[in-house]
Amino acid sequence: EAGVTQSPRYAVLQEGQAVSFWCDPISGHDTLYWYQQPRDQGPQLLVYFRDEAVIDNSQLPSDRFSAVRPKGTNSTLKIQSAKQGDTATYLCASSLDRIEVFFGKGTRLTVV
Amino acid sequence: GDSVTQTEGLVTLTEGLPVMLNCTYQSTYSPFLFWYVQHLNEAPKLLLKSFTDNKRPEHQGFHATLHKSSSSFHLQKSSAQLSDSALYYCALSEGGSSGNKLIFGIGTLLSVKP
Repeated sequence: EAGVTQSPRYAVLQEGQAVSFWCDPISGHDTLYWYQQPRDQGPQLLVYFRDEAVIDNSQLPSDRFSAVRPKGTNSTLKIQSAKQGDTATYLCASSLDRIEVFFGKGTRLTVV
Repeated sequence: GDSVTQTEGLVTLTEGLPVMLNCTYQSTYSPFLFWYVQHLNEAPKLLLKSFTDNKRPEHQGFHATLHKSSSSFHLQKSSAQLSDSALYYCALSEGGSSGNKLIFGIGTLLSVKP
């Protein structure tokens, strides 16, 4: 069974630039999560979807971050104007039973 | 709000010695507890999860017991192996129909040396 796939694996930006991260969850998983993992910290939830609907985006900085999952399958997380504080690994994860969550390898973002 | 505390940032052990990684939590409800393991440049993977039937979960020699009285879910293994070196995260979820919103601790880096 294919796991959660993310791209790109790495991104380096200057402040003010935009970037998009793409996630392909495990087939059939209705719940998809985006986590931010700063260096030396645990993953922190940004947003999660059930099918195409946003369930919780309370931790997503809405002025610069956006996330969509238009067909309830793949998802895109976008940072409109990156800041140095956004430097982190962005993890996508998916779940079917909402108990066991499967993570992708993440996108490591560096903002200089 | 809900939170998970892992007090050790780094645990260094000699191969063959027992492992114990601490995890305590705060939650309004009765959450599910999890341990995730993350090897270098890999995705976090589920290692253990708590059950509601009081059975002790075990996987790859690791086990953990949920103690509601002390709000703890410590990870243990009787004999550390070199391949156990990794980052270990304790996490909780309230579960339920609202979905699984995992809340992670800061993580404990386990380093096993020969």
